[in-house]
Amino acid sequence: DIVMTQSPDSLAVSLGERATINCKSSQSVLYSSNNKNYLAWYQQKPGQPPKLLIYWASTRESGVPDRFSGSGSGTDFTLTISSLQAEDVAVYYCQQYYSTPSMCSFGQGTKLEIK
Amino acid sequence: QVQLVQSGAEVKKPGASVKVSCKASGYTFTGYYMHWVRQAPGQGLEWMGWINPNSGGTNYAQKFQGWVTMTRDTSISTAYMELSRLRSDDTAVYYCARAFAHGSGRGPYDYWGQGTLVTVSS
Repeated sequence: DIVMTQSPDSLAVSLGERATINCKSSQSVLYSSNNKNYLAWYQQKPGQPPKLLIYWASTRESGVPDRFSGSGSGTDFTLTISSLQAEDVAVYYCQQYYSTPSMCSFGQGTKLEIK
Repeated sequence: QVQLVQSGAEVKKPGASVKVSCKASGYTFTGYYMHWVRQAPGQGLEWMGWINPNSGGTNYAQKFQGWVTMTRDTSISTAYMELSRLRSDDTAVYYCARAFAHGSGRGPYDYWGQGTLVTVSS
């Protein structure tokens, strides 16, 4: 099974500053035949289901503000919020969907707060 | 617009079973796999498995094999997740979530149900 590990577990950032969350997979999630990383990021606010932000490691879902960006390849990935807004306070999860047949696993989550 | 609407909260005793429904609308139900994910109070997300609404085929996480059953009723565009032999640590919010690629079980999940709280308590 692929284990996803996020760092840090929690993060406090000032409004307008950059927030960076890391995610590491225990094995590569890069599929060589299409050169795509099977890695997604979600945002979850209290009392709500997760919301898809990023897929294929760096593709923003429709409607997601461009201050959110994803990067990385293979086993190491990063979610960056370029200028933190109050509404970005949430828990963020990475997810690998590389495993077959169509299995997945999530990181443990990173809680993002305002400093 | 795409919507996944789940059934209401449940309270069950240890050893009982629970069946959660997820009614889909706004898209062709049989075209997209449905996954189930649970979240214990204050904890992270745990993948449980998926169902292919077209064929009825399923795949369960190893942890849940033997005590989860996923089914569907295509006539009413509804997926179901039944968990048996409930224990107190099965207390969680259970989500259905649609895999975004048409005809593929692979994630990510672009639409989620609102969640169903299942409480297991004697």
